[in-house]
Amino acid sequence: DAGVIQSPRHEVTEMGQEVTLRCKPISGHDYLFWYRQTMMRGLELLIYFNNNVPIDDSGMPEDRFSAKMPNASFSTLKIQPSEPRDSAVYFCASRWGGASRPEAFFGQGTRLTVV
Amino acid sequence: RKEVEQDPGPFNVPEGATVAFNCTYSNSASQSFFWYRQDCRKEPKLLMSVYSSGNEDGRFTAQLNRASQYISLLIRDSKLSDSATYLCVLTHQTGANNLFFGTGTRLTVIP
Repeated sequence: DAGVIQSPRHEVTEMGQEVTLRCKPISGHDYLFWYRQTMMRGLELLIYFNNNVPIDDSGMPEDRFSAKMPNASFSTLKIQPSEPRDSAVYFCASRWGGASRPEAFFGQGTRLTVV
Repeated sequence: RKEVEQDPGPFNVPEGATVAFNCTYSNSASQSFFWYRQDCRKEPKLLMSVYSSGNEDGRFTAQLNRASQYISLLIRDSKLSDSATYLCVLTHQTGANNLFFGTGTRLTVIP
C-alpha cells in the first residue's frame, strides 16, 4: 500500500483565497482524521470521519473551514476565505477501526502558507 | 487540563547516553497508548505501542503506570539518528474514537 497520500505538498496562497487540501487514506481504513500542526499549538485534531461520516468536528476553528468525505478513498479540507493565521502543516491520517490495531498512519502533510 | 502533557524539552544528550521521557494523561479511562516519532518537517510515525506490562523494542523501552497515569519511553545507547520529537499519544477506547497527542518532547543527540 502507498500509505496515506496528501496533495498538494506545499501551498502558498493569498489571503482571501480558497484553499482545498486533499487526502487519500489507506485502503480498508475506516477512520480518517485531519490535523493541523503549528509550533505554538502542536498537533490539533480538526475533524474525524468514521465510514465517511463526520463524527467530531469540534476542532474545526471556524465556519471558514469545512471537510468532506464523499467516499472511502477521498477526503477534502477546504478553507474559504483563507487567512494568514491558517498557515500551518495540515496532516491527514487514517486507521483501521478494529481493536487490535488502533494506531494511525499519517500522510506527509500539506504545508500551507497564507500571505 | 490537557489530555496529554509532555515536557517539551529540548533534551540534549551525548551519543551513547540513556534518556527517558515521561508523559502524563488526565483521563483514567484512556485505553491505548503509543509513542510516535516526528522528524523535522516530516509526518509523525508510530514508534511503538505501550502495553500494560511494559515492552521493549531494541534500544527502546516503553512503560505504562495506570495508577499514576503516566507512560514513559527509555532510549538506551542514544544514536545521532534518534534526534527527533517524540509524541505521546493515547485513545480513550480501543478501536474507536480519536487519538490525543501530546505536544512532543524534542531530543537532540550530540556527537
